[in-house]
Amino acid sequence: DTAVSQTPKYLVTQMGNDKSIKCEQNLGHDTMYWYKQDSKKFLKIMFSYNNKELIINETVPNRFSPKSPDKAHLNLHINSLELGDSAVYFCASSQVYGTGNQPQHFGDGTRLSIL
Amino acid sequence: RKEVEQDPGPFNVPEGATVAFNCTYSNSASQSFFWYRQDCRKEPKLLMSVYSSGNEDGRFTAQLNRASQYISLLIRDSKLSDSATYLCVVLPRSGSARQLTFGSGTQLTVLP
Repeated sequence: DTAVSQTPKYLVTQMGNDKSIKCEQNLGHDTMYWYKQDSKKFLKIMFSYNNKELIINETVPNRFSPKSPDKAHLNLHINSLELGDSAVYFCASSQVYGTGNQPQHFGDGTRLSIL
Repeated sequence: RKEVEQDPGPFNVPEGATVAFNCTYSNSASQSFFWYRQDCRKEPKLLMSVYSSGNEDGRFTAQLNRASQYISLLIRDSKLSDSATYLCVVLPRSGSARQLTFGSGTQLTVLP
């Protein structure tokens, strides 16, 4: 009965490969997010989707492509992986987009290591 | 200047101590404020929202000073289990794409 689940938890792969991370939430939330947390622990938003529509697309290389087949899922596909992509990627969801007091619920994170 | 700035620490305090963290934000139009907690190798979790009048939740007290654009978190009677990184989080008042902005976190270690 995990609220926000993302897979895989760990991903070790070589430079140049293409990989996907999946995220699902069973909270009935309207909005989902992808964050990247680098080695300095700085958590930075990458994308936000509200009811399957892209709302936020921060300055992220176009090798990163999110896809939301329905409002309960937000997947992240990464092409041509680079060393600098090594980080922890967190998926999150919240009830109503932009509402201040609605907390975001985070998944466990996907630890991506590029060899 | 970063949008949300925190002292990274680490803060190492003995059990039972009182410890306070501050956080400053640059966008004066910010609307909502939160403290999140992140344990080592875990996901961030909401600790508490921060209200204009200040608010308390058990041993935790959050304060907001809009004039000086800073937020504080006070932890009384520290427990070993309080060891974590505390993230200051800000949401702007308006804009086509409002989003939470996270500080880089303040690391706390409570020592026995």
